[in-house]
Amino acid sequence: KAGVTQTPRYLIKTRGQQVTLSCSPISGHRSVSWYQQTPGQGLQFLFEYFSETQRNKGNFPGRFSGRQFSNSRSEMNVSTLELGDSALYLCASSLVQGGTDTQYFGPGTRLTVL
Amino acid sequence: GEDVEQSLFLSVREGDSSVINCTYTDSSSTYLYWYKQEPGAGLQLLTYIFSNMDMKQDQRLTVLLNKKDKHLSLRIADTQTGDSAIYFCAESMGTGANNLFFGTGTRLTVIP
Repeated sequence: KAGVTQTPRYLIKTRGQQVTLSCSPISGHRSVSWYQQTPGQGLQFLFEYFSETQRNKGNFPGRFSGRQFSNSRSEMNVSTLELGDSALYLCASSLVQGGTDTQYFGPGTRLTVL
Repeated sequence: GEDVEQSLFLSVREGDSSVINCTYTDSSSTYLYWYKQEPGAGLQLLTYIFSNMDMKQDQRLTVLLNKKDKHLSLRIADTQTGDSAIYFCAESMGTGANNLFFGTGTRLTVIP
C-alpha cells in the first residue's frame, strides 16, 4: 500500500505570495492532519480534516487554511506569505476506525519564503 | 495545555542501549507515540502505547510508561549507526481529537 504523498517536495516563494500544498493520504484513510515544523517552534498542529470537514484546528492565523476532497486528498493554503512561514509542512493520515487513530506521515513539503 | 518535554541530545556507542526520555503534562492523554525523523525526511512511526499499558516491546524497541509520573521512555537495544536520527514523543487524546502534541525531539548520535 502506498504511503502518504505530498507535492511539491520543495517550494520557494516570496513574501506576500500565496501557496497551495497537496497531500494524498494512504488509501482508505479518511483523516488528514497538517503540521508545521520549524527549528524554533518544533512540530505544531495546524488542522485536521475528516470527511471533508475541519474537525480540529491549531493556533495559527487565518492565513492558513485547508480543505479536503471527497477522495480524502487534502490541500492547505497559506496566503500573504511571511518570512516566518518558512518551514517543513508535514501531512499525516489516519484510518479513523476508533482506537488509536495512528497517524502516518508523508515526507513533507519544504517551503522557503524569501 | 499540553506540554511535552525531552532532552535535546543523546550520544551512545554502537552496540550499547539507548534510552530516550519524555515527560508530558496532560493526564488525559490516551495514546503516546514515538516517531523517528532522519535528515530531510518526514516522521516515521516507530511504536505507540495505550495509556492503560505500562510496557510494550517490539523487537529492539521497548517503551515504558509511568502514568503516575507522566514519564515515557524509549529503549533501543543494540543501537546501530542507522538509528542516528531525531526521536519525537507525542501524545494524543485519541479518537475525535486527532491532533498530536510533540516533544522537542531528542537527537540521537551513535558513535561507531
